[in-house]
Amino acid sequence: KQEVTQIPAALSVPEGENLVLNCSFTDSAIYNLQWFRQDPGKGLTSLLLIQSSQREQTSGRLNASLDKSSGRSTLYIAASQPGDSATYLCARRGTGAGSYQLTFGKGTKLSVIP
Amino acid sequence: DAGVTQSPTHLIKTRGQQVTLRCSPISGHKSVSWYQQVLGQGPQFIFQYYEKEERGRGNFPDRFSARQFPNYSSELNVNALLLGDSALYLCASSLSAGYNNEQFFGPGTRLTVL
Repeated sequence: KQEVTQIPAALSVPEGENLVLNCSFTDSAIYNLQWFRQDPGKGLTSLLLIQSSQREQTSGRLNASLDKSSGRSTLYIAASQPGDSATYLCARRGTGAGSYQLTFGKGTKLSVIP
Repeated sequence: DAGVTQSPTHLIKTRGQQVTLRCSPISGHKSVSWYQQVLGQGPQFIFQYYEKEERGRGNFPDRFSARQFPNYSSELNVNALLLGDSALYLCASSLSAGYNNEQFFGPGTRLTVL
């Protein structure tokens, strides 16, 4: 069974701190990995998409890395702000059977304290 | 540009009833996927449609069905509703069914089954 794990489940940091969110997956045969943000009761906002041939992607204060061999991805948020408070989800698109779907982790709930 | 739109926003039904949820993809996107998100969990894949054809189906009972129209919009139908069907239903669109495409999600439809 393909699984995606996000640790920790919740994280609280003071404003201005740099932080790293972790995502691990059991099967390293992937097409890509996508990071999303979800505000309470809302849909998902795509943050970054990393293809299997890439090592990292950057957008503003966000940087996502991918290490297929170890089955890990990290999302780095620089100089965190209260507006970054949300749940962050990673999703893996595997190869082979089931490649038409994203497999999600349960997310990390981030709280940035002013 | 308009993103993915879904209707209705909220819906309350009773057990045994049937429900239809609607999704309009981003203009130019031809692939639509449906996901179910239960509170506290990551989204679970239900269906993917591309060019009106079902391309993938997740592990959901036959009570769940979907279709895609010539304008690429889509409907998700759920028959004989159960309490456990209460969830946020998310629609995602992408340019094509290609595996390297970024998925863009709508705001979701919150279904409550009483």
